[in-house]
Amino acid sequence: GNSVTQMEGPVTLSEEAFLTINCTYTATGYPSLFWYVQYPGEGLQLLLKATKADDKGSNKGFEATYRKETTSFHLEKGSVQVSDSAVYFCALKRLYNQGGKLIFGQGTELSVKP
Amino acid sequence: GAGVSQSPSNKVTEKGKDVELRCDPISGHTALYWYRQSLGQGLEFLIYFQGNSAPDKSGLPSDRFSAERTGGSVSTLTIQRTQQEDSAVYLCASSSSLSLSNTGELFFGEGSRLTVL
Repeated sequence: GNSVTQMEGPVTLSEEAFLTINCTYTATGYPSLFWYVQYPGEGLQLLLKATKADDKGSNKGFEATYRKETTSFHLEKGSVQVSDSAVYFCALKRLYNQGGKLIFGQGTELSVKP
Repeated sequence: GAGVSQSPSNKVTEKGKDVELRCDPISGHTALYWYRQSLGQGLEFLIYFQGNSAPDKSGLPSDRFSAERTGGSVSTLTIQRTQQEDSAVYLCASSSSLSLSNTGELFFGEGSRLTVL
């Protein structure tokens, strides 16, 4: 079946450190891949996306590259800020999924200390 | 409204009682989704509505769970005879055909936290 696996949290970093949150997926065909972020007390919001192999999604200094050969979509940021503290969710949408349903990973909590 | 609105934001109930959770999607969004967020379990898909019909209800965990949508807008998720394992945050999301085609983005509410004692 289709599934998403993320590295377990919580991840604790100092400000300006480099961030990687690993995400791998299992899916039939070539899904679209997403990262959503949930800031404290808020709803999930789309951070970035990629729709085909070798695409790179980017937003707010975050990047993720769709790697078909390793079925991965790891999230990276070169220098994290305290305001990046949140829970990050990796997700996939199957190709030709007319309903738009997303399949999410379990989420990774990030805490950035000053 | 400006965003997806869910109520109540917090609900504490006793085991065996019925609960209703409400979702008011973004105006004009035809697609509506319910997810459940449990500690350490990520987001679990429950049901998807297109208009008032539910073409995918594959994630409802048991027949104690049901959902309806009226007027292509507000949706209600009902849990009958609640159990302690039903304790979770229930999230609602909506989207438009245009958003789904262009970005695939879902727009989420802040959720309803359910605690079953």
